[in-house]
Amino acid sequence: EPEVTQTPSHQVTQMGQEVILRCVPISNHLYFYWYRQILGQKVEFLVSFYNNEISEKSEIFDDQFSVERPDGSNFTLKIRSTKLEDSAMYFCASRRTREGNEQYFGPGTRLTVT
Amino acid sequence: DAKTTQPPSMDCAEGRAANLPCNHSTISGNEYVYWYRQIHSQGPQYIIHGLKNNETNEMASLIITEDRKSSTLILPHATLRDTAVYYCIVRPRYGSGNTGKLIFGQGTTLQVKP
Repeated sequence: EPEVTQTPSHQVTQMGQEVILRCVPISNHLYFYWYRQILGQKVEFLVSFYNNEISEKSEIFDDQFSVERPDGSNFTLKIRSTKLEDSAMYFCASRRTREGNEQYFGPGTRLTVT
Repeated sequence: DAKTTQPPSMDCAEGRAANLPCNHSTISGNEYVYWYRQIHSQGPQYIIHGLKNNETNEMASLIITEDRKSSTLILPHATLRDTAVYYCIVRPRYGSGNTGKLIFGQGTTLQVKP
């Protein structure tokens, strides 16, 4: 069964550093998402992406965040200058069509900012 | 914010049916009811969704009341591996600015006991 993959599984970085979290969505999916979950808190929507552009972003997704689909397979989330409060699990998700299809989530990347 | 209300926790005996309720009294006609679960800190996993009719798949059944203001997820024969946080999510149809994002609440922590 196809699945969403994410790398790395755990990333440790120092405050102020840039990080790139990578995701490989399911191959025939067209809609892509990033979510995050701070330890002990609920899963929060960050951004949705379709047709090579952002279709919606949350208030969390400020100028420090960016997303890119650099080739036909990868979908990345970049944080330019990490802060302590960016420490969280980051989940990528993808969906095939507009309606009636669920989002498939990846296993997540645990980001620890020290 | 999430437009659903769920009990924070429930217990269920292994082998018995687990019935997880969800209240979505403000649901509108173009909104689906989705259920996801999250086992430990893994990525959320899709379970089932519905609009008006009851639905069943290999994992669970979804019973939606006639007025659509509440629903129940039924796991017919719960196992220890079904211990997880279960999220009931109301999501609008795609379009008119809706991008398919999922808004997670706190969910119900289901503990399946031997």
